Amino acid sequence: SQQGEEDPQALSIQEGENATMNCSYKTSINNLQWYRQNSGRGLVHLILIRSNEREKHSGRLRVTLDTSKKSSSLLITASRAADTASYFCATDEGNTPLVFGKGTRLSVIA
Amino acid sequence: DSGVTQTPKHLITATGQRVTLRCSPRSGDLSVYWYQQSLDQGLQFLIQYYNGEERAKGNILERFSAQQFPDLHSELNLSSLELGDSALYFCASSPVGVWNGYTFGSGTRLTVV
Repeated sequence: SQQGEEDPQALSIQEGENATMNCSYKTSINNLQWYRQNSGRGLVHLILIRSNEREKHSGRLRVTLDTSKKSSSLLITASRAADTASYFCATDEGNTPLVFGKGTRLSVIA
Repeated sequence: DSGVTQTPKHLITATGQRVTLRCSPRSGDLSVYWYQQSLDQGLQFLIQYYNGEERAKGNILERFSAQQFPDLHSELNLSSLELGDSALYFCASSPVGVWNGYTFGSGTRLTVV
């Protein structure tokens, strides 16, 4: 069963624009993680935000977490064609394997 | 190279057959997770092993089984294959705890014909 639900399912933007993806989840979590998957390849861990954190940055990535709304957002600034991929949120409920959403497919057009 | 090795990369087999997928975790990681990714179901957790023992079980069919060996590599066995088993199968590994996330292999693409 899916814990995280990403929104939108697909997003198409021009190179240089910002991309925002959202994730909603249902239960209490220890942390929330974002992963990237290039077509047909393995997932790559991008960033982890703990339940007591509200915002985290890593390079062009900015993640926010609102535990009261059970939601998170991933912002990619100044997007590049190489950012084209699917992005997944995954929730860690503590002592259980990560539960992934179905992902957002991002297309960055040069 | 993520450090997690999965073989084979591609597998085509007929319905009713049995296959074995192999995973070598990243050096030092004790946990191995198996996930199935299909277009309509997203990424589904199948099973987790920690240091040789089964730790958690997800939506794994009875026709599927797995094990982790003393050298920490893991195998996922899929039997009586059906067309609907066609999917990408990923192995991931992590050290104790998940504070740095999982490291995924590049997956095995299984096609059942």
